[in-house]
Amino acid sequence: DAGVIQSPRHEVTEMGQEVTLRCKPISGHDYLFWYRQTMMRGLELLIYFNNNVPIDDSGMPEDRFSAKMPNASFSTLKIQPSEPRDSAVYFCASSSSTINRETQYFGPGTRLLVL
Amino acid sequence: QKEVEQDPGPLSVPEGAIVSLNCTYSNSAFQYFMWYRQYSRKGPELLMYTYSSGNKEDGRFTAQVDKSSKYISLFIRDSQPSDSATYLCARLSNTDKLIFGTGTRLQVFP
Repeated sequence: DAGVIQSPRHEVTEMGQEVTLRCKPISGHDYLFWYRQTMMRGLELLIYFNNNVPIDDSGMPEDRFSAKMPNASFSTLKIQPSEPRDSAVYFCASSSSTINRETQYFGPGTRLLVL
Repeated sequence: QKEVEQDPGPLSVPEGAIVSLNCTYSNSAFQYFMWYRQYSRKGPELLMYTYSSGNKEDGRFTAQVDKSSKYISLFIRDSQPSDSATYLCARLSNTDKLIFGTGTRLQVFP
């Protein structure tokens, strides 16, 4: 079974542009998490979904960030407009509430650089 | 104060050494604790988890939780160069959120 899939793997954009990150969770998983990782702040939870419904978005830094999960196999994280301080690695993770709920499986991440 | 505190390192040890990685946490209600390993330019992967207090062993790895001192430890015996990675401790909240420490970078040299 394929793991969590993220695209693109790398993104370089200019300040002010819209950025869309994509994630496909592991089939059958009902939880999906978006994280951001930087050297200064480590790995931070931005938002998570359960059964496609956003449960907690308290980690979303500001209104420029939005996330959606239109169905069980796809989620997007959008930044509009992007700023240089958004440069980071963004990870998507998924887990199952019925099998090892404490285990989250991470994707390879999207490295975002905003110039 | 961060909920989970971790020394960022880096920690550099020779092959074969015993490695001790540590975290402290602030909320006594935590029950589940995890260690994730992250290789360079990869996503974190679960290494071990423990519930409540005590030890859990898996091969060369031992996870230990001391609830009285709010201390979490990971011990690696007979360390190998392939163990070189960043190790992240985490706790699981009652709402299924993982709260991570900032990670300790470990380098095992031959």
